[in-house]
Amino acid sequence: EIVLTQSPGTLSLSPGERATLSCRASQSVSSSYLAWYQRKPGQAPRLLIYGVSSRATGIPARFNGSGSGTDFTLTISRLEPEDFAVYFCQEYGNSPRTFGQGTKLEIK
Amino acid sequence: EVQLVESGGGLVKPGGSLRLSCAASGFTFRDAWMNWVRQAPGKGLEWVGHIKSKSEGVATDYAAPVKGRFTISRDDSTNTLYLQINSLRTEDTAVYYCTTDIWTATKRDYWGQGTRVTVSS
Repeated sequence: EIVLTQSPGTLSLSPGERATLSCRASQSVSSSYLAWYQRKPGQAPRLLIYGVSSRATGIPARFNGSGSGTDFTLTISRLEPEDFAVYFCQEYGNSPRTFGQGTKLEIK
Repeated sequence: EVQLVESGGGLVKPGGSLRLSCAASGFTFRDAWMNWVRQAPGKGLEWVGHIKSKSEGVATDYAAPVKGRFTISRDDSTNTLYLQINSLRTEDTAVYYCTTDIWTATKRDYWGQGTRVTVSS
């Protein structure tokens, strides 16, 4: 089982700033099957990025995914008020699939 | 429009059983791999398991904490996904979501609204 470790646990930033979220895997992620989700209270998780760096349908260009092997990054170039939420990475190429524990992005 | 509607959650005592359902519409269900994901109160997302399509043998796989107690099945004639949960534990308390896999053709996946399972004496 691949263990995903996200950092930081909480990130405090202001609107307009750049956010960098990290996801580190315990072993190499096969075929780039790494996704990022946004989670807001009362809503289903929203897929942001799949295949490490492909934006999902309707996701703004300020969201970017990068990385390879065991180290992955979600970058939000310029934070909008609606971006403050919890973010999870997920490995979906192996079984069992796993999620990271999440990074809470909060308003500073 | 793709819709996933879960049902069957509720309050159950430790050791009890529940069967969750997920009614799917708006896509070719029989060809889709489907997942169950849960989120316990104050915790993160946890993949529970998945089931492949009939063409791939309806194979299933589960996360370690639920293996042997949870069973995923599907009825392609009614476009319904199931999660049979036995020997419930307090740590199974969570909102359970059914989800599709990520479809690269449409660049998205789909989630239901979730059904809440509470395990308490």
